[in-house]
Amino acid sequence: DAGVIQSPRHEVTEMGQEVTLRCKPISGHDYLFWYRQTMMRGLELLIYFNNNVPIDDSGMPEDRFSAKMPNASFSTLKIQPSEPRDSAVYFCASSLTPKNYGYTFGSGTRLTVV
Amino acid sequence: AQSVTQLGSHVSVSEGALVLLRCNYSSSVPPYLFWYVQYPNQGLQLLLKYTTGATLVKGINGFEAEFKKSETSFHLTKPSAHMSDAAEYFCAVSVDQAGTALIFGKGTTLSVSS
Repeated sequence: DAGVIQSPRHEVTEMGQEVTLRCKPISGHDYLFWYRQTMMRGLELLIYFNNNVPIDDSGMPEDRFSAKMPNASFSTLKIQPSEPRDSAVYFCASSLTPKNYGYTFGSGTRLTVV
Repeated sequence: AQSVTQLGSHVSVSEGALVLLRCNYSSSVPPYLFWYVQYPNQGLQLLLKYTTGATLVKGINGFEAEFKKSETSFHLTKPSAHMSDAAEYFCAVSVDQAGTALIFGKGTTLSVSS
């Protein structure tokens, strides 16, 4: 298995632009998580899905952020409009049964908003 | 509310020395506990986990951790450090009874000198 695949690896965009981050989970994994990592705040859970349904989005910072999972093999995290404080590394992770197997993380997308 | 505290943002050891990375947690539900490692420009990888049962758990690369409920701790150890152990290490605790969503500590950077 190729693991969790995120794209793009790096994204540089101007303030006010729309940004879309993409994630392909491991086949068969029922859970998908989006985390954000910054130096100041560490790793923050943004949202997670179970069987393509959003379960907890309480970590989504503002209405500018939205996430979808249209099918079991694809998820997106969108920021519109983007702001410089959104600059961070965004990780996607998937899991079959989190408490038994933990998460498998992707390599992350480094977002820079200028 | 659940929380994770990693004591020491940076730990330095010599090659062959004992590695001890400290993690204390706060949880209102029976915790599921995890340690992850992150190498530069990569996602997090699962080192080991505690769910139930034996309180001393062994993971990959010679690491182990002991769950001490009375001390609310889950410290990570390795008897003999190797240069390849240099990385950032994260302790995580589940925030729900199902052990689905995790919150992470701020991380500890381990440096290994020859």
